[in-house]
Amino acid sequence: SVLTQPPSVSGAPGQGVTIACTGNSSNIGANYEVHWYYQVPQTAPKLLIYANDDRPSGVPDRFSGSRSGASASLAITGLQREDEGDYYCQSYDSSLSAWVFGGGTKLTVL
Amino acid sequence: EVQLVQSGAEIKKAGESLKISCKASGYYFASYWIGWVRQKPGKGLEWMGIIYPGDSDTRYSPSFQGQVTISADKSTSTTYLEWSGLKASDTATYYCARPLSSGWFFAYWGQGTLVRVSS
Repeated sequence: SVLTQPPSVSGAPGQGVTIACTGNSSNIGANYEVHWYYQVPQTAPKLLIYANDDRPSGVPDRFSGSRSGASASLAITGLQREDEGDYYCQSYDSSLSAWVFGGGTKLTVL
Repeated sequence: EVQLVQSGAEIKKAGESLKISCKASGYYFASYWIGWVRQKPGKGLEWMGIIYPGDSDTRYSPSFQGQVTISADKSTSTTYLEWSGLKASDTATYYCARPLSSGWFFAYWGQGTLVRVSS
């Protein structure tokens, strides 16, 4: 994938985790916005964070996003079992003239 | 309420053609881009392309250019994803999705259409 994410992260209930999303000078590093999605397997993805750090209505403030240079991060605090699933970052790539997704990160709540 | 309702699962043979659909409701169809995303079994999300129904302006990912055709019918508020010759590697779930009023991200998603292609 054009955007690189760790394959998996884990944390205990109540703890926090961070998921990184690394791009390059054609996408995140070119100041294009980063967005995050959450997906429970076999269901449609759900928008979690848009425009780097904005939350759609209904998304708890336990979820937050940030961007710096050619990378972005999704932070989740106060982990709950229902946070388990796959998380994807997404941006725009000017060299491809295409939207691009990260490979996805599987979150396990221990 | 914005809703995107996709057509049902398909089982096809390699070489066959296929057109799946995504019917939109709850907003003015012609005024918002709508795109398609592929997810192969057990794999991640892949952006395929996007269309603006108002003027049929269509953009494709280089990975999918020439492999699929995206179209829209304003009279029925429906977007289509079409193949002229399926391959076994096209086996995947396909999602249609719509951005918010502005911004290059998907805020609304269809339920997905599973396409199985046997060789």
